[in-house]
Amino acid sequence: EVQLLESGGGLVQPGGSLRLSCAASGFTFSSHGMSWVRQAPGKGLEWVSSISGGGGNTKYADSVKGRFTISRDNSKYTLDVQMNSLRVEDTAIYYCAKVAGNWGAGYFDLWGRGTLVTVSS
Amino acid sequence: EIVLTQSPGTLSLSPGEGATLSCRASQTVSSSYLAWYQQKSGQAPRLLIYGAFSRATGIPDRFSGSGSGTDFTLTISRLEPEDSAVYYCQHYGNLIWTFGQGTKVEIK
Repeated sequence: EVQLLESGGGLVQPGGSLRLSCAASGFTFSSHGMSWVRQAPGKGLEWVSSISGGGGNTKYADSVKGRFTISRDNSKYTLDVQMNSLRVEDTAIYYCAKVAGNWGAGYFDLWGRGTLVTVSS
Repeated sequence: EIVLTQSPGTLSLSPGEGATLSCRASQTVSSSYLAWYQQKSGQAPRLLIYGAFSRATGIPDRFSGSGSGTDFTLTISRLEPEDSAVYYCQHYGNLIWTFGQGTKVEIK
């Protein structure tokens, strides 16, 4: 079955760190760019970061640049994001998404169910 | 930076009616790089339309996309109760991904 499954969410204090993971199955993982998209409670969608199929190219939203690091392990079919210096405004459901087509100019054709990150003291 | 503005904020319609959702870009967008997503309450988003016009796999033909330049439209014909959701447009391209703020469609 083609699917994405996120894990690693939870409650963390401001300034803390958290690592999210996304397990992929049902498609050739290394052939596709991958992305993280978040959604604050009651708000819209915000793109966070993307990575190319081989992992050598990455891109970040200005709101997380320098604090978040996206990575992937193609042998394990996993996508990660390391989130440091977390802020209250990082509180959101984090979705991983598969990029269709060119990794830097593709739409998101498969989404995971998401994992909730809450940043609060 | 391209800003996408969706209107209206909320649509309240009856089953069987048609819905027209607008997405306006702050500058010209290539039609090849405009997508629409549906997000039902408590669920992840789902791709509906890509390349402004092309339906994703498994999407019924009641959903159609159109537009060019700065103005794009998602049309839902013959609304069904299951179409109740928030709909987002998205621009993708040149290492930038931008979403509109969403239009909520309520089925009476």
